[in-house]
Amino acid sequence: DAGVTQSPTHLIKTRGQQVTLRCSPKSGHDTVSWYQQALGQGPQFIFQYYEEEERQRGNFPDRFSGHQFPNYSSELNVNALWLGDSALYLCASRPSSGTEAFFGQGTRLTVV
Amino acid sequence: DQQVKQNSPSLSVQEGRISILNCDYTNSMFDYFLWYKKYPAEGPTFLISISSIKDKNEDGRFTVFLNKSAKHLSLHIVPSQPGDSAVYFCAASLYGSSNTGKLIFGQGTTLQVKP
Repeated sequence: DAGVTQSPTHLIKTRGQQVTLRCSPKSGHDTVSWYQQALGQGPQFIFQYYEEEERQRGNFPDRFSGHQFPNYSSELNVNALWLGDSALYLCASRPSSGTEAFFGQGTRLTVV
Repeated sequence: DQQVKQNSPSLSVQEGRISILNCDYTNSMFDYFLWYKKYPAEGPTFLISISSIKDKNEDGRFTVFLNKSAKHLSLHIVPSQPGDSAVYFCAASLYGSSNTGKLIFGQGTTLQVKP
């Protein structure tokens, strides 16, 4: 079992650009959530996807959008990147009937 | 509005002794609590959880205690080992009938276990 896998692991983008991050959930998991972790802080919930729909959203602007595919994998898109978007982006998955979320290793995004 | 707080940024203990990590929350509606461990350059790893209907859950060297009246939970690690050195995050969730399970994290506590 490969667990939750994210790609890429590191990314450098220029302010104003757009970025897409990818996540493959753990086998058997159908619910995927995305989190942003700034340096020295705990992860902050961005949104959650289930059955290819956004089910819940945190306090993030519309520049942050996502998608879930029929195979449960997911993408996080961020438009018009700000310097403040530099962070570790974490994907977490769990079965819809479960309570423990399992995290990927994260994508380190640096906006310059 | 920090709903989950870990007031100790760091903790240092001797190998073999007990490590106690604390977490406070403000929302009495939280129905599930989890602890995660995070090493540098890795994602958080699930450690142990507890439902709000319980006051204790044990898994090997790890025990989580929940005090609902005080809105406080703690993670006990006994005995502590150098490999336990990491950042520990407390998280709370509101599953309820919708089971969305959004996790709200504390700021983390860095544990150092000295040999």
